[in-house]
Amino acid sequence: EAGVAQSPRYKIIEKRQSVAFWCNPISGHATLYWYQQILGQGPKLLIQFQNNGVVDDSQLPKDRFSAERLKGVDSTLKIQPAKLEDSAVYLCASRVARMNTEAFFGQGTRLTVV
Amino acid sequence: AQSVTQLGSHVSVSEGALVLLRCNYSSSVPPYLFWYVQYPNQGLQLLLKYTTGATLVKGINGFEAEFKKSETSFHLTKPSAHMSDAAEYFCAVFISGSARQLTFGSGTQLTVLP
Repeated sequence: EAGVAQSPRYKIIEKRQSVAFWCNPISGHATLYWYQQILGQGPKLLIQFQNNGVVDDSQLPKDRFSAERLKGVDSTLKIQPAKLEDSAVYLCASRVARMNTEAFFGQGTRLTVV
Repeated sequence: AQSVTQLGSHVSVSEGALVLLRCNYSSSVPPYLFWYVQYPNQGLQLLLKYTTGATLVKGINGFEAEFKKSETSFHLTKPSAHMSDAAEYFCAVFISGSARQLTFGSGTQLTVLP
């Protein structure tokens, strides 16, 4: 079974530029998460999708971050414009929409804003 | 609101010694609990999970954890540390209901000394 795929693995941009990350979840996983992991901290949930609908985006900085999951499969996370404090690893995870199941994580995208 | 607290951001043990990583959660309803491990430049990998049933759960690589409702704890243990266990460990909680977030602790960096 293929895992969660993310691209790119690494990205370096200047502040005020825009950037997009892509995630392809495990086939059949209805729930998709985007997490932000700042160095030395635990992952922080940015947004959660159930199929193509948003379940929770309460911690997403909506003035600069946006995410979509068209057709309930692939998802993209965009930052525009980027700030220095956005430097982090962005993790995508997916899970089957049953209560007792775990989330499977991709390898993440490491973003450096200079 | 649900939360997860990991006591000790850094833990060092000698090779062959007992590993104990602490996790406490807050929840007004029965939670689902997870331990994940993260190696450098990698995503998160599931070690073990507690959903229902037996409170002592065994995971991969010789790790186990015990759910103690009275103490709201889910500590991770391994009888004998190996050099390859050096990594960052995250406790996470998933609570059914309206929130349905998968929330992570801040992590514990485990160092194994020769």
